[in-house]
Parts: sequence; structure tokens; C-alpha cells
Amino acid sequence: DAKTTQPPSMDCAEGRAANLPCNHSTISGNEYVYWYRQIHSQGPQYIIHGLKNNETNEMASLIITEDRKSSTLILPHATLRDTAVYYCIVRVVYKAAGNKLTFGGGTRVLVKP
Amino acid sequence: NAGVTQTPKFRVLKTGQSMTLLCAQDMNHEYMYWYRQDPGMGLRLIHYSVGEGTTAKGEVPDGYNVSRLKKQNFLLGLESAAPSQTSVYFCASRRSSDGELFFGEGSRLTVL
Repeated sequence: DAKTTQPPSMDCAEGRAANLPCNHSTISGNEYVYWYRQIHSQGPQYIIHGLKNNETNEMASLIITEDRKSSTLILPHATLRDTAVYYCIVRVVYKAAGNKLTFGGGTRVLVKP
Repeated sequence: NAGVTQTPKFRVLKTGQSMTLLCAQDMNHEYMYWYRQDPGMGLRLIHYSVGEGTTAKGEVPDGYNVSRLKKQNFLLGLESAAPSQTSVYFCASRRSSDGELFFGEGSRLTVL
């Protein structure tokens, strides 16, 4: 699986957009980009995933560069409840391997009033 | 729907004792996973299952065993607990190979 690089931490202001970068320069053509977050000590929560095209759902937007070597998760209007550790993961979808997701260190995001 | 339910939520064991963590999901998901998370660390995969009756090793399988006798349940066993197994354990499930991963609330295990 391709490795990902994320900044260890970042702050953002409540009500502003939060842009979380992720580098995955060794990503291969059949690897998806997933984003999860973990609030305090709860179980991780799925946010969004994509392969090539930009994706948007009710929680966030995922922007993947044309060469797919990096991506950005955008939280359009950050709230205090968005304070969490955000994980960027890349993974091949391969049934026999169980599509295991490897969670690295992530980015600790602190939303400030 | 309850989603993914883990029992127990908290447990304290003495070194050498055995125990089983139960994960139950009511979403008819094929894939199930057990992770552990140590303080300040990301999650590490212990074992996983791609369907009823199947199990496979993850990154850190030593000292653990699993069983998936029923599709809705995935059991994680510790035969002889060690202090190094003190951790928070998370179970997760997903419907398909590229679907959303749903996590339980975690089980906090302390081995003295």
C-alpha cells in the first residue's frame, strides 16, 4: 500500500474552512484515498473516499490532484465538534486481502473559537 | 439499528488470565476487523474476516485468536493475557470491499 504523509497537527478557526493536506506520491492507479476521523477516544468515523474524481458529501469535500499524488480534505465550515484526529489512508480494493485499512498517525485538528 | 456493538466496554485482567471480546453487527456486513490502539498511536490491525467461517492475520496477530462462526459476530480471544496487551480494542465492519468502515465504541482492556 502507498504510504501517506500528513502534518501532525493544525489549528483552524471555528466557522472557517479547514483544509487538510495528504501526500501519497507512491499511489498506484487502483488505490483509493480514504479519510476517517477519530474524536477523542471514540471509534474512527468514515468521512469520504475517492479514486480519481473530486468527491463531496454532507460532511466534507475531497480534492484529488490530477496526478493523484496528493489530496486535500475540506471541512467547509469547521465547528468545535470537528476537533479530532484525521486519518488519510490509501488502499487497493482487493477482496481476498480484506481491503485492510492501515491507520497511521493522522493530523490532530484543533478547532478554536 | 445498533450498528457495531462491543462487549465488554471495560475489563481488568491479571497476567495469564484469558478472556474474549465480542463484536456484534446487525448490518449484515461481510467484512469484520479487530484493531488495537495504544495511547497516542494510530490503529493497528490484529485479525480480520472476509466472511462467515473465515479469518486472517493482520499486522499484530501474536497473542490473539479470533473466530467468525456466525456472520454477525467476530470474537477476539486472549488465551494468556500480558501487560503488553493493555490497550483499547476496536471492532469494525463493512458491507463491501470498498464500502464505509463502521466502528464500535471500543473496549478498554487493562492487564495487570
